[in-house]
Amino acid sequence: KAGVTQTPRYLIKTRGQQVTLSCSPISGHRSVSWYQQTPGQGLQFLFEYFSETQRNKGNFPGRFSGRQFSNSRSEMNVSTLELGDSALYLCASSRKTGATTGEQYFGPGTRLTVT
Amino acid sequence: KNEVEQSPQNLTAQEGEFITINCSYSVGISALHWLQQHPGGGIVSLFMLSSGKKKHGRLIATINIQEKHSSLHITASHPRDSAVYICAVRSGGGADGLTFGKGTHLIIQP
Repeated sequence: KAGVTQTPRYLIKTRGQQVTLSCSPISGHRSVSWYQQTPGQGLQFLFEYFSETQRNKGNFPGRFSGRQFSNSRSEMNVSTLELGDSALYLCASSRKTGATTGEQYFGPGTRLTVT
Repeated sequence: KNEVEQSPQNLTAQEGEFITINCSYSVGISALHWLQQHPGGGIVSLFMLSSGKKKHGRLIATINIQEKHSSLHITASHPRDSAVYICAVRSGGGADGLTFGKGTHLIIQP
């Protein structure tokens, strides 16, 4: 069974631009979560989608948004990029959500550099 | 908001040693995860615990719900175990996203 895939793997953008990252979960997984990892803050939860609905959202500004499609694939968008948005963005999929989420399977991540 | 503390932050040990990494959290949880991250970024889920103890190969994870504490043990450590080990918890009755510890950077020297 194929693992979680993320595209693109590397991205360089300029301040003020916007970016869209994509995540394809493991087949049969309906929950997709997004995380940001930086050297200073470590791993932080961005948001989680289940069956095309945002289940919860971390403490990030409204510039960060996402969506999930009917095939469970998910995208996240960051508008008006800032230098501090440079990070590794990871997505993870699982079969369920909430208290019964179970194990999460992580993708390889997209490394975003904002210049 | 749940606070997750890991110790030690850095650990260097010799091959074959028994390794213990600790994780404490401040608020009741529905599940605790132990994750492994190798250089380059890939994260692998090692364990998900809500009570008791789990074992997989040379790895053992335990959790004490009353004390809000979990430990990850590695027996007969090997240089390939060198990685960052991250503890993460899900609280809010499962409605919240994961909250992560800062990670423990483990180096096993041959």
